[in-house]
Amino acid sequence: GAGVSQSPSNKVTEKGKDVELRCDPISGHTALYWYRQRLGQGLEFLIYFQGNSAPDKSGLPSDRFSAERTGESVSTLTIQRTQQEDSAVYLCASSLAGLGGHNEQFFGPGTRLTVL
Amino acid sequence: AQSVAQPEDQVNVAEGNPLTVKCTYSVSGNPYLFWYVQYPNRGLQFLLKYITGDNLVKGSYGFEAEFNKSQTSFHLKKPSALVSDSALYFCAVREESSYKLIFGSGTRLLVRP
Repeated sequence: GAGVSQSPSNKVTEKGKDVELRCDPISGHTALYWYRQRLGQGLEFLIYFQGNSAPDKSGLPSDRFSAERTGESVSTLTIQRTQQEDSAVYLCASSLAGLGGHNEQFFGPGTRLTVL
Repeated sequence: AQSVAQPEDQVNVAEGNPLTVKCTYSVSGNPYLFWYVQYPNRGLQFLLKYITGDNLVKGSYGFEAEFNKSQTSFHLKKPSALVSDSALYFCAVREESSYKLIFGSGTRLLVRP
């Protein structure tokens, strides 16, 4: 595709429910990143994928958060037992390379998650 | 540890005037520096980057940024602001040996007609 796409664009859920957010990176981009942006704040790094593996999961806020990537393409961020503090915009980005490269990251439009 | 500071929450300028959005950084090695812009209800768009070479970097939409190693700054500039430049601007830094982009807290630019 022309750019990074994310779905859904908006998700409203009830506290305690699980949600799944999807990211389709730019074709050929081996590196994929997830960020969280709380209202009025900057971006908070969550996780990085190089290919299908995630060398750094240290940014995930808790064990309720997990992510996977298959086929060096689509990635899914799953939040289990959602809490109100999980409400934020979740942004996905991809780049040609992660470590060792100076390529810019291209961002998707984000998924706005609201936990009631 | 890497960090980025954007000291101004908001910058107000009149259309046609020059604008500057400030950014300072801290890294232990050589920095890769980036500016992104975020329009309402849209994702971040890449504006420009500094990797090496000329300290003055030119980017999209007439923006430029100057890398100053001694002051560890990477301020974003534009000679003549447009109302359509009004948006949220983020500075980001990555160490040469890292993959992680560290973002500043963002600066809201408001260009009045």
